[in-house]
Amino acid sequence: QVQLVESGGNLVLPGKSLRLSCVASGFTLSGYAIQWVRQAPGKGLEWVAITWNDGKNEHYADSVKGRFIISIDNSKNTVYLQMNALRPEDTATYYCAREDDPDMVSGYYLGVDVWGHGTTVTVSS
Amino acid sequence: DIVLTQSPARLSVSPGERATLSCRASHHIDSYLAWYQQKPGQAPKLLIYDASYRATGIPGRFSGSGSGTTFTLTISSLEPEDSGVYYCQQRSNWPVTFGGGTEVEI
Repeated sequence: QVQLVESGGNLVLPGKSLRLSCVASGFTLSGYAIQWVRQAPGKGLEWVAITWNDGKNEHYADSVKGRFIISIDNSKNTVYLQMNALRPEDTATYYCAREDDPDMVSGYYLGVDVWGHGTTVTVSS
Repeated sequence: DIVLTQSPARLSVSPGERATLSCRASHHIDSYLAWYQQKPGQAPKLLIYDASYRATGIPGRFSGSGSGTTFTLTISSLEPEDSGVYYCQQRSNWPVTFGGGTEVEI
C-alpha cells in the first residue's frame, strides 16, 4: 500500500527547533519529489518546501527560507523537515506529499497524488 | 509570487445540480495547475492534474478546463459526498502557491 506517514509534531516554544519525519512505504522515492504543505487551524493550504529524491534540487517558501531545511535519506525512504527559529505563525498541521515526475519529463504537471495524514506543530509559550 | 484567486469563496448547491468553481492566476501558468478536494479532518485529495486530466479513481462528474490565467473546475451533478473545500494549485513558478479555496456545501 502506497502511503506517507508523518511524525515529530509537538508543542514547542518560540525560537526553538523541531524535526518532522515523513516515511514512505509501498514505493521508493526514486523518480518522485516530496514536499511539505502546511495548514494553520481553520485556514487554507500553504506550500512549505520540496526536495527531489536525489537531494540535488530543493525549493522553499519565502516564509520559511533560512529557517527550515528539507532533506532526504533514500536508504530509509524518509524525508525530513528541520524547523529552526520557530514562530507562533508556524503553528499548523504539516502534511508531506508526493509529486510524480517533478521535472515534467512527460510534459504534464501530474500533481501531488499521495498525501500523509499530517502531524501537528504548535508553537506557543 | 503567482497569486491564485478562487471564486466564489462559498457555494451552496443541491444534489444533482452543477457547480462551477473558478481559479484565476496573476500570471500565465500554461496548464501547470491541479485541483484538490479536502474534507474536514482529512488530507487533500488530488482531483485534476495539468488543468484538465482526472486523477486515478476520480469520478467522471469532475472535469477541469482552462489554460494561461483562467481555470475552471466543474462538478456536473453534485453528490452529497462532494461537500468540502476545493483548492487550486500552480506549479509553473516557484514558490508553489495554492488558491484560498472554495467551500462547497451540499
